[in-house]
Amino acid sequence: AQSVAQPEDQVNVAEGNPLTVKCTYSVSGNPYLFWYVQYPNRGLQFLLKYITGDNLVKGSYGFEAEFNKSQTSFHLKKPSALVSDSALYFCAVRDSGNTPLVFGKGTRLSVIA
Amino acid sequence: DGGITQSPKYLFRKEGQNVTLSCEQNLNHDAMYWYRQDPGQGLRLIYYSQIVNDFQKGDIAEGYSVSREKKESFPLTVTSAQKNPTAFYLCASSSTGTGVSEQYFGPGTRLTVT
Repeated sequence: AQSVAQPEDQVNVAEGNPLTVKCTYSVSGNPYLFWYVQYPNRGLQFLLKYITGDNLVKGSYGFEAEFNKSQTSFHLKKPSALVSDSALYFCAVRDSGNTPLVFGKGTRLSVIA
Repeated sequence: DGGITQSPKYLFRKEGQNVTLSCEQNLNHDAMYWYRQDPGQGLRLIYYSQIVNDFQKGDIAEGYSVSREKKESFPLTVTSAQKNPTAFYLCASSSTGTGVSEQYFGPGTRLTVT
């Protein structure tokens, strides 16, 4: 069975500082990894995905994520946080192209001015 | 929220009543999904469908039913058998062609049952 863990319920960061939102995964085959963002009372917006290739994946709104196979991690990063980045972030995994995504419980990011 | 619409945005029902949530997509996607979101629990899969006239149970299908009569539509019925139906419900779709595609989400329906 595949699963995702987001060890932090809440991450606080000052505006302009770098941010990291952590994610670890468990999957039997090759992992396909995703990050989504959710603003209040809205659906999820896709940020980026890792399928294969470069371990550093670049996505929307200046976000990037680093895939680390040995640590089974896929942490989301941004060099300089904005107040508008404050939202709920979800990591997700699937083990083949057409299976449903399995989501972590989410991490609430708060960027303080 | 792309080409997926969910209606209504807010829904209120009395306990014991069945209620149907609408989900329509114009992305020509074969696969569609229903998730339930509760605070602190992330998204949990209710049902999914990879092709018209076929669907599979997810992790928390009890008390829910779906149909997939058209490619564009995947309605979810919350029955009176669902013990705790108050939640935020999210519909998603994805393509099933070659490659690994992301899921696109609708804006959600917040259901309150009293």
